[in-house]
Amino acid sequence: DSGVTQTPKHLITATGQRVTLRCSPRSGDLSVYWYQQSLDQGLQFLIQYYNGEERAKGNILERFSAQQFPDLHSELNLSSLELGDSALYFCASRPLAGEQFFGPGTRLTVL
Amino acid sequence: GENVEQHPSTLSVQEGDSAVIKCTYSDSASNYFPWYKQELGKGPQLIIDIRSNVGEKKDQRIAVTLNKTAKHFSLHITETQPEDSAVYFCAASSGSNYQLIWGAGTKLIIKP
Repeated sequence: DSGVTQTPKHLITATGQRVTLRCSPRSGDLSVYWYQQSLDQGLQFLIQYYNGEERAKGNILERFSAQQFPDLHSELNLSSLELGDSALYFCASRPLAGEQFFGPGTRLTVL
Repeated sequence: GENVEQHPSTLSVQEGDSAVIKCTYSDSASNYFPWYKQELGKGPQLIIDIRSNVGEKKDQRIAVTLNKTAKHFSLHITETQPEDSAVYFCAASSGSNYQLIWGAGTKLIIKP
């Protein structure tokens, strides 16, 4: 158990819908990263937050957005969902200097 | 921008044999190189990492080597066991942001 929690574990929705994925980092970790992993693919970095502020952006679509709240939990919002958005979404947290600790992921299925 | 290439994409070895996975990176400023293991249905987990001021690091059956001149680093697993079967990812980062650039992953299969 990495100490990073993600909810929900599974999410099934329809095209055109909007969903919110939630991540709680390890206690004390200020950095949160979001990744997308499609079937049998690598990890695509989406976005990073540090203490509530956006720090870095990767290949995040305009239909996707994220934020980190004062209690340091983070949410990833995915809207106008398409079939191709079906994937595993991971969040990771990191202490000031060190490794990224990954959560168990949210499996999103868009039908 | 930074790019990390990882080979092979799939590696099948006999139980007890050694496995080697290789990565090359493009940004000479990269200074941190972690390796993550992802088991089926789980998130990636760090297994070993190395910084640019070190050429080799070992942890029991796992070792990582770094060649800064050639800009490549490798993961070595000796005496492989069934529980080593997983997908392994290499990554590289530079700067204080610890932004990781990931390799595409290697599926390691341990044959009994």
